[in-house]
Amino acid sequence: ILNVEQSPQSLHVQEGDSTNFTCSFPSSNFYALHWYRWETAKSPEALFVMTLNGDEKKKGRISATLNTKEGYSYLYIKGSQPEDSATYLCASEDGNTDKLIFGTGTRLQVFP
Amino acid sequence: EAGVTQFPSHSVIEKGQTVTLRCDPISGHDNLYWYRRVMGKEIKFLLHFVKESKQDESGMPNNRFLAERTGGTYSTLKVQPAELEDSGVYFCASSQDRQSYTFGSGTRLTVV
Repeated sequence: ILNVEQSPQSLHVQEGDSTNFTCSFPSSNFYALHWYRWETAKSPEALFVMTLNGDEKKKGRISATLNTKEGYSYLYIKGSQPEDSATYLCASEDGNTDKLIFGTGTRLQVFP
Repeated sequence: EAGVTQFPSHSVIEKGQTVTLRCDPISGHDNLYWYRRVMGKEIKFLLHFVKESKQDESGMPNNRFLAERTGGTYSTLKVQPAELEDSGVYFCASSQDRQSYTFGSGTRLTVV
C-alpha cells in the first residue's frame, strides 16, 4: 500500500445501528495514526492518535484499533446517533517528515 | 485556549487574481502546517513552518504559491495568479509537540 485508503467511501445507517470503517496505510516509516471527525465548514476534530501495534482507544461510543504490522486501523461507532453524521478522516503520520497523509474519508450519515 | 483561526472562511476570485489566506495558530505553537483539500480528493500537505523557518515545502504545487510566517506567529499563503485548479479548502494546523495537531476550519477558495 502506497497511499492511505479508507473504506467505505460513504455509509448510510439508521439511528441505533453500530458501524465501523477501515483505514489502510503504508507500514513503512509509520509513526502514528490519527482519526479526525470533520463536519463541513468546521475544524476537523481530533478523535484519536495511536502509535503502538495493538493500541485500542475509546471515547464515549467511538473506539479505534491499530495494527501496524499489517497496516490497518478500524474505527467503530456503537449505537450511531444523527449527531455522529460527519466525514471521518484517518491520517498516517510519516516518521521521517511528520507530515500527515490523509485518506479521502468515510462520509457517515445517520438517519433518525 | 483559542483554537487555530483562519481568514477568510470563503473567497471567490476570478482566474488571474491574487488571494491571500491567513492563519493564526494556537499561541506558543512553533509548528504550523498548511494543507489543501481539492473537491472529492484527500487532504494534502503543502508545507510546514517551524517558527518562521520553512521546514518542508515539498507539497507546494508550483511557484504561484508563496507562504510566509514573519516573526513566527501568524502565517499567510498567497496564490498569484490564481488558476481554476487552485479551488479547494485550505486548512492550517498547528502543533506544539508534533504529537497532536489542531486544525482550523479552513478557507474555501473558489476560482472562477
